[in-house]
Amino acid sequence: SQQGEEDPQALSIQEGENATMNCSYKTSINNLQWYRQNSGRGLVHLILIRSNEREKHSGRLRVTLDTSKKSSSLLITASRAADTASYFCATVLGRFGNEKLTFGTGTRLTIIP
Amino acid sequence: DAGVTQSPTHLIKTRGQHVTLRCSPISGHKSVSWYQQVLGQGPQFIFQYYEKEERGRGNFPDRFSARQFPNYSSELNVNALLLGDSALYLCASSWDRGGTGELFFGEGSRLTVL
Repeated sequence: SQQGEEDPQALSIQEGENATMNCSYKTSINNLQWYRQNSGRGLVHLILIRSNEREKHSGRLRVTLDTSKKSSSLLITASRAADTASYFCATVLGRFGNEKLTFGTGTRLTIIP
Repeated sequence: DAGVTQSPTHLIKTRGQHVTLRCSPISGHKSVSWYQQVLGQGPQFIFQYYEKEERGRGNFPDRFSARQFPNYSSELNVNALLLGDSALYLCASSWDRGGTGELFFGEGSRLTVL
């Protein structure tokens, strides 16, 4: 079963605008990760935030984590057509060698040129 | 360096048949995981292997089995295929950086069961 939900399920914005996606989860976590998937292909890791961190940046990506609300958000600034993809959050409870990822349902992002 | 490679990329089977999917991890990665992604959903965990030992198993029937070889490559086997087994099967590898890090995914094997 899925760990949680992404919100919204689908998002369409104009190129250059910012895109925000939210993720809710249900159990305690070690860290939370965001992945991108293009057209049903393999997943690409974007960013990881640990349970003791509240905010993290990587290039045009900003992720926040609120463990009290069991939620995270991913912000993509200055969107580009190449950002069109599905985005998934995944929670991890275990340590290396036992790091089962539990994925959410995904947000399908479409950037309109 | 080569990424995670999976084979075959696409395959079509009929109900009741058996399928074997193969995965080669990134060189130096000793942990391999398998995920099933049904159309429109997020990936679901099937198995994790580390140093040839099963470290985790998801909520899948015994028709699903896997193993890891001494060179850290892995196979996923599914017996008695059902229509509901149609999905993208993703393999991922990882390495120990002193904590839980990201997974590196292959492009997947798309299985269609008719």
